[in-house]
Amino acid sequence: GDSVTQMEGPVTLSEEAFLTINCTYTATGYPSLFWYVQYPGEGLQLLLKATKADDKGSNKGFEATYRKETTSFHLEKGSVQVSDSAVYFCALPLDTGRRALTFGSGTRLQVQP
Amino acid sequence: NAGVTQTPKFQVLKTGQSMTLQCAQDMNHNSMYWYRQDPGMGLRLIYYSASEGTTDKGEVPNGYNVSRLNKREFSLRLESAAPSQTSVYFCASRQGFDTDTQYFGPGTRLTVL
Repeated sequence: GDSVTQMEGPVTLSEEAFLTINCTYTATGYPSLFWYVQYPGEGLQLLLKATKADDKGSNKGFEATYRKETTSFHLEKGSVQVSDSAVYFCALPLDTGRRALTFGSGTRLQVQP
Repeated sequence: NAGVTQTPKFQVLKTGQSMTLQCAQDMNHNSMYWYRQDPGMGLRLIYYSASEGTTDKGEVPNGYNVSRLNKREFSLRLESAAPSQTSVYFCASRQGFDTDTQYFGPGTRLTVL
């Protein structure tokens, strides 16, 4: 079935470092792809999304490009801040009926000042 | 605009006790979901509701029941809690139609002793 695989964490970076969190997917067709972020003690928030191949989603300095050739949707940010410390989840719709999301296992990012 | 709200935020139960987790959304969304989040496993779908009065099982429905009495509210009930149900529970909603974006509540952290 459709699924996502994302890199293991935790990822520890210094402030202003470049961030990449890898996400690859397995899917029939070309579903929408999502990145959600979970700050400590909070629920998940939509960070960005892309609805078709070659689309680039962006928000708050984060970007991810939907690449069907490599079945990837890697999350990047050019200069991370301490406030970006959170857990990041890659996701896609589980099926065509319920449209529930299936999530990767999450990648914890810790940014040090 | 409160979005998706959940009560309670925290709960401790003894094995065998019952409780209901409440969820409400004020975005006039059609679809609602219950997920559980366990360490290192992302989120897994428990139950889904496409509209008022309809529900459908997800990946891990055993030990749970749900109720969608109206468009706003979607409750999750544990009839006889077990330690394996210790988890963080998230409710989410989706407008339906042509969007897959889901909006999440802040979560309920449940511990079963």
